[in-house]
Amino acid sequence: EVQLVESGGGLVQPGRSLRLSCAASGFTFDDYAMHWVRQAPGKGLEWVSGISWNSGSIGYADSVKGRFTISRDNAKNSLYLQMNSLRAEDTALYYCAKGRNDGGNWFDPWGQGTLVTVSS
Amino acid sequence: DIQLTQSPSFLSASVGDRVTITCRASQGISSYLAWYQQKPGKAPKLLIYAASTLQSGVPSRFSGSGSGTEFTLTISSLQPEDFATYYCQQLNSYPFTFGPGTKVDIK
Repeated sequence: EVQLVESGGGLVQPGRSLRLSCAASGFTFDDYAMHWVRQAPGKGLEWVSGISWNSGSIGYADSVKGRFTISRDNAKNSLYLQMNSLRAEDTALYYCAKGRNDGGNWFDPWGQGTLVTVSS
Repeated sequence: DIQLTQSPSFLSASVGDRVTITCRASQGISSYLAWYQQKPGKAPKLLIYAASTLQSGVPSRFSGSGSGTEFTLTISSLQPEDFATYYCQQLNSYPFTFGPGTKVDIK
């Protein structure tokens, strides 16, 4: 069974940093792109960042470009999101999602999310 | 960046109703569109991909259509478990934007 388990969320002050992790199991991790998606409380979904299987292609939402860095360690079946210069508007539930290979990067499945709260 | 709009943003319907949600892209995205269902407190779930392909395990009352800039998600006969929020997403190019969502509520 494919499982994605996020961790690393918590309460952090504005301007500080946080590193999220996503532990993957049940599939050949280095065959697939991976993504981070966030959802602010009571709001819709926002794609944050994505990384190809070999880290050769990376993308970011404009809202996080220059502040967040996505990475992966295929030997550890893990995805990461380094978040710097955090702002109140980064407060959200952060999901990791596996991108499929069948003609598109459809997100399936998703983890259960880790909550990041940016507040003083 | 490609923007997605969804209509309606909120829909009140009864069990058994036929429901249609529209998603429009600001530029052509071929068939690189997915639909997700999200229930309160849960992670989103993939329903439809490549605009019209039903994800394995998803009931056949769900269907998708469209290409280019206009897409629809149809639920042929709404069931109690279908009350949720539905999002479209374009995967044509980064950033992989989502639509703002359509909440389907019980009438």
